[in-house]
Amino acid sequence: GAVVSQHPSRVICKSGTSVKIECRSLDFQATTMFWYRQFPKKSLMLMATSNEGSKATYEQGVEKDKFLINHASLTLSTLTVTSAHPEDSSFYICSAPRGTSSGEQFFGPGTRLTVL
Amino acid sequence: GDSVTQMEGPVTLSEEAFLTINCTYTATGYPSLFWYVQYPGEGLQLLLKATKADDKGSNKGFEATYRKETTSFHLEKGSVQVSDSAVYFCALTGTASKLTFGTGTRLQVTL
Repeated sequence: GAVVSQHPSRVICKSGTSVKIECRSLDFQATTMFWYRQFPKKSLMLMATSNEGSKATYEQGVEKDKFLINHASLTLSTLTVTSAHPEDSSFYICSAPRGTSSGEQFFGPGTRLTVL
Repeated sequence: GDSVTQMEGPVTLSEEAFLTINCTYTATGYPSLFWYVQYPGEGLQLLLKATKADDKGSNKGFEATYRKETTSFHLEKGSVQVSDSAVYFCALTGTASKLTFGTGTRLQVTL
């Protein structure tokens, strides 16, 4: 069964509004979670690393004021897309490490964001 | 920087056919290599991995061998099933300890 959940699975919003996406680890604790973005026919791009109890680490080119990340507890990380615009429409995926290897991760099913 | 190149899909095969999905990489140092699979409506799942040259990862009948000389990690299965229909992602972790993915290859297996 799924070990990382995301909510919502699909969201449509108007331009200028903010959208929050939740990522939860089920039955295990995750001090670190990752947020990815996937464009059609493109690979997953790491946006940021969410750290419980400290600030998120953003990848180069990702606007931290645009994509707010909060790691509220050892089982929950949230991504808020602020003042969303149509170009923010994408598929957002979170993951949590599986053990100590950074390459082995449990992935959520993803959230499809459409900004009108 | 690190990068992964995999063959574009979709790949359409009949059941029991032989599968190869090519994957090559560029990385400094000695990356670990992975294949992830995404079934319809589900999150990516680790399929197999290899952490050093000449290692062979295997799972569910799938295999891939870490070839340093050709910087490749091709995915193979001798006899595919309809249930193998999914999107397959090749990935690596390099010196930055972050996953770098290929674009994914969709496999469609028909009866």
